[in-house]
Amino acid sequence: KQEVTQIPAALSVPEGENLVLNCSFTDSAIYNLQWFRQDPGKGLTSLLLIQSSQREQTSGRLNASLDKSSGRSTLYIAASQPGDSATYLCAVSSGNTPLVFGKGTRLSVIA
Amino acid sequence: GAVVSQHPSWVICKSGTSVKIECRSLDFQATTMFWYRQFPKQSLMLMATSNEGSKATYEQGVEKDKFLINHASLTLSTLTVTSAHPEDSSFYICSADNRHSNQPQHFGDGTRLSIL
Repeated sequence: KQEVTQIPAALSVPEGENLVLNCSFTDSAIYNLQWFRQDPGKGLTSLLLIQSSQREQTSGRLNASLDKSSGRSTLYIAASQPGDSATYLCAVSSGNTPLVFGKGTRLSVIA
Repeated sequence: GAVVSQHPSWVICKSGTSVKIECRSLDFQATTMFWYRQFPKQSLMLMATSNEGSKATYEQGVEKDKFLINHASLTLSTLTVTSAHPEDSSFYICSADNRHSNQPQHFGDGTRLSIL
């Protein structure tokens, strides 16, 4: 059974810092991996999708990497801003199975 | 881009009431819809998977008679929480997918359900 773990559970940084969020998964036979953002009481916003054949994806200040063989992904946020404060969720898909989510990392960026 | 609309966004009702939540795909055909439940500071837990025109597949521990799911068309799925009790209070999120495309799942904005 696929399990997804995210470290750290919570993170507080001053504005302007670069930061890394970590995600690990137990079954490397994945189809793709997604990073989502969730604001309090809101739904999910997809940030980056990495297919199993890809090593990384970039969108603006965000960069996500995937090392499928070791079961790890990282989300790098450059020059963090207070508006980046949210919970970041990592989820993996194994083809025709539903997404399996980690518990998320709660990020606070202090102005 | 593709959008999934979930309604209502927030509902408060008395214990014993049945509550229906709708999930609509607005500009694509959703062959599959997923219903998730999220407790405070926890991740999303899959409740059930529904394919258009067939019965939903429920995850272990989810009562299918308690959480009725209907996916009668390619654009609409509903989740009905029957005879809701305070322990059913949670955040419910749907997502939609088209298995014939390589697009990822698209998520609704969620429904906050509070049972008094």
